[in-house]
Amino acid sequence: NAGVMQNPRHLVRRRGQEARLRCSPMKGHSHVYWYRQLPEEGLKFMVYLQKENIIDESGMPKERFSAEFPKEGPSILRIQQVVRGDSAAYFCASSPRGGDSPLHFGNGTRLTVT
Amino acid sequence: GESVGLHLPTLSVQEGDNSIINCAYSNSASDYFIWYKQESGKGPQFIIDIRSNMDKRQGQRVTVLLNKTVKHLSLQIAATQPGDSAVYFCAENRAGNMLTFGGGTRLMVKP
Repeated sequence: NAGVMQNPRHLVRRRGQEARLRCSPMKGHSHVYWYRQLPEEGLKFMVYLQKENIIDESGMPKERFSAEFPKEGPSILRIQQVVRGDSAAYFCASSPRGGDSPLHFGNGTRLTVT
Repeated sequence: GESVGLHLPTLSVQEGDNSIINCAYSNSASDYFIWYKQESGKGPQFIIDIRSNMDKRQGQRVTVLLNKTVKHLSLQIAATQPGDSAVYFCAENRAGNMLTFGGGTRLMVKP
């Protein structure tokens, strides 16, 4: 009865490198959400995906960031050419349906850019 | 812009006392609110939710109150325990689970 699984838990990248964050939703959940959290702040919505579709990416920076949720496999949040300001905790959440059903969050990936 | 915010950044209570965490929201059209608990190094954990057609909802040791007139939410924790120490966030579901989170309140429980 696994929850939302994210890996890696910690990721260190040098400026200019690429970061790939993975998220496997709970079994039976087809809606995936990515949020970013800076230290001592609340989470900020980034992107909402269903299988093979981006539903809403209004919270995602226009450049360097992309997300996918393929038919098979985990959802991937990709950050190209990372900068120090990308250092944060990135949380994935899933739900069985969109709308008003509680989100289940993973334990996040903590990205540090050196 | 629209936002969800909290009045108290840190709340310290004695073990066994009741805790009240407050939250203000500004979008009067919001109709679904959620409280999350976040422990250090972990993701947010769902505690309780409430829809705008209700003004009170109770769970196990927790109660959420919604006052739509003044756009205010509160989370009450009865008989607070050391395990309740965490950061608590209110969140507003603007649409399709794209949540707007408040800044968080840190609850510290003194033994």
